[in-house]
Amino acid sequence: DAKTTQPNSMESNEEEPVHLPCNHSTISGTDYIHWYRQLPSQGPEYVIHGLTSNVNNRMASLAIAEDRKSSTLILHRATLRDAAVYYCIPLRGNQFYFGTGTSLTVIP
Amino acid sequence: DVKVTQSSRYLVKRTGEKVFLECVQDMDHENMFWYRQDPGLGLRLIYFSYDVKMKEKGDIPEGYSVSREKKERFSLILESASTNQTSMYLCASSGDRGLSYEQYFGPGTRLTVT
Repeated sequence: DAKTTQPNSMESNEEEPVHLPCNHSTISGTDYIHWYRQLPSQGPEYVIHGLTSNVNNRMASLAIAEDRKSSTLILHRATLRDAAVYYCIPLRGNQFYFGTGTSLTVIP
Repeated sequence: DVKVTQSSRYLVKRTGEKVFLECVQDMDHENMFWYRQDPGLGLRLIYFSYDVKMKEKGDIPEGYSVSREKKERFSLILESASTNQTSMYLCASSGDRGLSYEQYFGPGTRLTVT
């Protein structure tokens, strides 16, 4: 399994950018890197995914290191609604392996 | 919008009871998944299914079984509930067997076994 390492928790001020790091040094060449988040009392929801290139969507940006051993999820302007647990998940085959993620606190 | 629904948000059962957790998706997805979520352990995959009547074991299948008789419905069965199966259970579905797809999750069922 491709193992991931994420900080247990992070804090950010509202309306400031947030960079959420993830190390996945054992990732294989064909594993996509997915990010999900889980708001309180809800199931996880998809945020973004990528393989080698940096990716942008309406929710966030994903920066993938050239050696693919790490990636960073970027929230450009944190809002209170972004307070959640963020999971970095290398996709192996058809199975997702969720770790414990990073709990993001957004300070008003 | 994709919708994944689970039969109950909260469920309390006694030790030894047979428990059924139902999950229904409305997007004609091929793949369905059952996870459990426990504090400090994250989400762990119990079983998944690629098609009707097909099932595959995940990381922690012991004590569980599943049934998929119709494409839209995936049931998780606890044959004889035990207290260590008290947990949050999450169902998910996805529509692509490629290497890049997103899973859609239901709201979860919090099961307490007393």
